[in-house]
Amino acid sequence: AQSVTQLDSHVSVSEGTPVLLRCNYSSSYSPSLFWYVQHPNKGLQLLLKYTSAATLVKGINGFEAEFKKSETSFHLTKPSAHMSDAAEYFCVVSGWENQGGKLIFGQGTELSVKP
Amino acid sequence: GAVVSQHPSWVICKSGTSVKIECRSLDFQATTMFWYRQFPKQSLMLMATSNEGSKATYEQGVEKDKFLINHASLTLSTLTVTSAHPEDSSFYICSARLGTGQEETQYFGPGTRLLVL
Repeated sequence: AQSVTQLDSHVSVSEGTPVLLRCNYSSSYSPSLFWYVQHPNKGLQLLLKYTSAATLVKGINGFEAEFKKSETSFHLTKPSAHMSDAAEYFCVVSGWENQGGKLIFGQGTELSVKP
Repeated sequence: GAVVSQHPSWVICKSGTSVKIECRSLDFQATTMFWYRQFPKQSLMLMATSNEGSKATYEQGVEKDKFLINHASLTLSTLTVTSAHPEDSSFYICSARLGTGQEETQYFGPGTRLLVL
């Protein structure tokens, strides 16, 4: 079975400081992993995805994530936070191999950015 | 690319009426779309998988007669909440799948806020 755990329900950073949102996954198969961002009352926007190519994945808005198989982690980082980064972030694994393409969501991490 | 729209963005209706929500993939064809429900401060809950030209597959606990799904074309899926009640008030989000196998990615619509009075 596949599962995703986001280790922090809420992260608060100051503008201009680094962002780290932590995610661990469990998968019996070669996982496809995603980070999505959701601003209030909006849908989910794809930030980046990992599909077994390069382990360091660069996404939009300066975000990147590193796939570490030995640690079963896929943490999301950004060197310098911007006020507009304040949102809910979801780490997601795809059940493409055994679950008809269903997505398994983490519980989400709310990112706050202080001026 | 990979834009998904939803209509309406919000709707208020009276208890007992039916509400239809549309989900469209604007620049790609999607044989599979998904419908989710999201409660405040929670993650997304998958309601059903919508397959073009066939019946939808519902998740356990989701009433198929209450949440009618139609996927009549490769760019449109609709969710109809029948005989809506206040407990159906929620944020409904659809997604459309692009690609196959390990490359497949779901792109999400902007969501529809439903309030049943």
